[in-house]
Amino acid sequence: EAGVTQFPSHSVIEKGQTVTLRCDPISGHDNLYWYRRVMGKEIKFLLHFVKESKQDESGMPNNRFLAERTGGTYSTLKVQPAELEDSGVYFCASSQELRGNEQFFGPGTRLTVL
Amino acid sequence: GNSVTQMEGPVTLSEEAFLTINCTYTATGYPSLFWYVQYPGEGLQLLLKATKADDKGSNKGFEATYRKETTSFHLEKGSVQVSDSAVYFCALLTGANNLFFGTGTRLTVIP
Repeated sequence: EAGVTQFPSHSVIEKGQTVTLRCDPISGHDNLYWYRRVMGKEIKFLLHFVKESKQDESGMPNNRFLAERTGGTYSTLKVQPAELEDSGVYFCASSQELRGNEQFFGPGTRLTVL
Repeated sequence: GNSVTQMEGPVTLSEEAFLTINCTYTATGYPSLFWYVQYPGEGLQLLLKATKADDKGSNKGFEATYRKETTSFHLEKGSVQVSDSAVYFCALLTGANNLFFGTGTRLTVIP
C-alpha cells in the first residue's frame, strides 16, 4: 500500500510568487492534515480535512494560505503571495479515523522563499 | 493551552550508549502522547505511543512511559545504534485531533 506522497519535494520561489503544494493521502483515509515546520522550530498544525470539508483550520497563519481537497481525495495548499517567513517544511498526514488513530506522514515539501 | 517541550539538541552519542531525550507537556484534558522519528530524507514515522497515564510505549528498543504526575514522556533506549541517527519529535494529541509537537531533537550516533 502506497504511503502519503507529497509534491514537489523541494520548491524555491521568490517573494511575491505563488506556490501550490500537493498531498496524496493513503487511499481510503478520510482525514487529511497539513502541518508546517519553520526554521527548525516545532511542527505546527495548519488544518484538518474530513473528506472534502475543512474540519479545523485554526492553524492557518493568514489569508495568503488556501487549502482545498476537491472530491475528498488529494489536497492542495496554495501560498499566494509567498513571503520570506513562509519558508519551511510542509508536511501532510492522513488517518483513517479520528480519536487518536495514527496519522501517517508524507516526506514533506521543503519551501524556500527568497 | 497545549504545548510540548523537549530536550534541545543536537545529541551525539557513541554506539551502544544509553539514550534519554526528555519531553514534558502541558495539556487540557487527557492527551495521548507520541514519539515520532524522521530518518534522513524520509517523512515522520510513528515510533511509539501511550494513550493513558502509566502506559509504556515501546518499539525497536525504544521506550517511553506516560507520567501524569510529572507531565513527562521521556524517550529512552539502552543501547543506540548508528541506524538510530535521526530527528525525534515528541507530540501530544488532544480531543481536537491535531498533533502538538516539540521542536525535535537531532540524534547522531557515531561508531
